[in-house]
Amino acid sequence: DAKTTQPPSMDCAEGRAANLPCNHSTISGNEYVYWYRQIHSQGPQYIIHGLKNNETNEMASLIITEDRKSSTLILPHATLRDTAVYYCIVRNMYSGGGADGLTFGKGTHLIIQP
Amino acid sequence: GAVVSQHPSWVICKSGTSVKIECRSLDFQATTMFWYRQFPKQSLMLMATSNEGSKATYEQGVEKDKFLINHASLTLSTLTVTSAHPEDSSFYICSAEQQGRPNYGYTFGSGTRLTVV
Repeated sequence: DAKTTQPPSMDCAEGRAANLPCNHSTISGNEYVYWYRQIHSQGPQYIIHGLKNNETNEMASLIITEDRKSSTLILPHATLRDTAVYYCIVRNMYSGGGADGLTFGKGTHLIIQP
Repeated sequence: GAVVSQHPSWVICKSGTSVKIECRSLDFQATTMFWYRQFPKQSLMLMATSNEGSKATYEQGVEKDKFLINHASLTLSTLTVTSAHPEDSSFYICSAEQQGRPNYGYTFGSGTRLTVV
């Protein structure tokens, strides 16, 4: 699976949009971009994923550049409960041999300031 | 939505004893489950892939005789840390993917904090 690069930390004011970037310049055509977050001392939580089109769900929006080499996760109205480590993961969903485990990078520690 | 229950949430054990951690998919079946380990201030590291009805596959550097994995049913996988030592103290997390529904991403358990004294 392709590697990803994320800033180690970011701050965002409560109520503002949090924009978390991710670079995945070596992504291949059949690899999806997944975002998970981990609140302190809990298991990771799935947020959203996409292939090439922008995606939106009740938690966030995912913007993928046209060349697919980078993406941005957007939390439209950040709250204090959004403080967590956010992981951008590239994954080949159909690897042929069944499900594969995820490779987690260091992620971005997003801190929402009151 | 899919829920993965992990038990216990924390455990303290004496050095040399064994500890069993359970991971259950509550409302879906999971042919495959995954076990991760996370040391303080570090990211999750995949330890092994648990396959229902067959042997687990372990990542490089993970001792299969020390971390015993059993996946006897489509909803339960267990990880047993045998002869635990203080260096095994860590946060252990399991995950599963809904069978036939890869678009939904992996669901993770809430983790087990193991402290070996």
